[in-house]
Amino acid sequence: GENVEQHPSTLSVQEGDSAVIKCTYSDSASNYFPWYKQELGKRPQLIIDIRSNVGEKKDQRIAVTLNKTAKHFSLHITETQPEDSAVYFCAASMSTGGFKTIFGAGTRLFVKA
Amino acid sequence: EPEVTQTPSHQVTQMGQEVILRCVPISNHLYFYWYRQILGQKVEFLVSFYNNEISEKSEIFDDQFSVERPDGSNFTLKIRSTKLEDSAMYFCASILHEQYFGPGTRLTVT
Repeated sequence: GENVEQHPSTLSVQEGDSAVIKCTYSDSASNYFPWYKQELGKRPQLIIDIRSNVGEKKDQRIAVTLNKTAKHFSLHITETQPEDSAVYFCAASMSTGGFKTIFGAGTRLFVKA
Repeated sequence: EPEVTQTPSHQVTQMGQEVILRCVPISNHLYFYWYRQILGQKVEFLVSFYNNEISEKSEIFDDQFSVERPDGSNFTLKIRSTKLEDSAMYFCASILHEQYFGPGTRLTVT
């Protein structure tokens, strides 16, 4: 079955710096890659996603890249702010519906003011 | 903005008891999911549900678990005989184009 590896497990950056989180997946049939932000005690919130027919997607300070050949995808957060501090999960799925979403282990991001 | 809702927010039960966790997915969504998250760990897929039947389930979703859509709005997860290791946050989710999670039910088995 699908397996998603996520690195690093913890990331500490200074406010204003960039943060990069990397994931790899094992099932080449996966074609949908969402990223979730989870604050303590809260539900995972979708922050950005990418489908396998594109290589990059950007939404303000957040961008995601996908390398299908290498089965890598990454989250980039620029100009980090203290409110970006949370746990970030990458995930992989074979579809936006009907199939299970496999999550990475999560990255705890600390943004120091 | 429509949201996935879940009840109760916290459920405490004794080992061996049955629990039912309830979810109301977003009304026009077609696929429904249950996930669990043990404290401090990743979100784990349990089961997906479409057109009134299970479309896929994980190894975690054994005979102790069942799901049901008893009416047009509710989606339930039943654990027949709870174990200590079932203690976790259980999230319901639904999808039309993007997956939206409910606020979760924290299940504590004592």
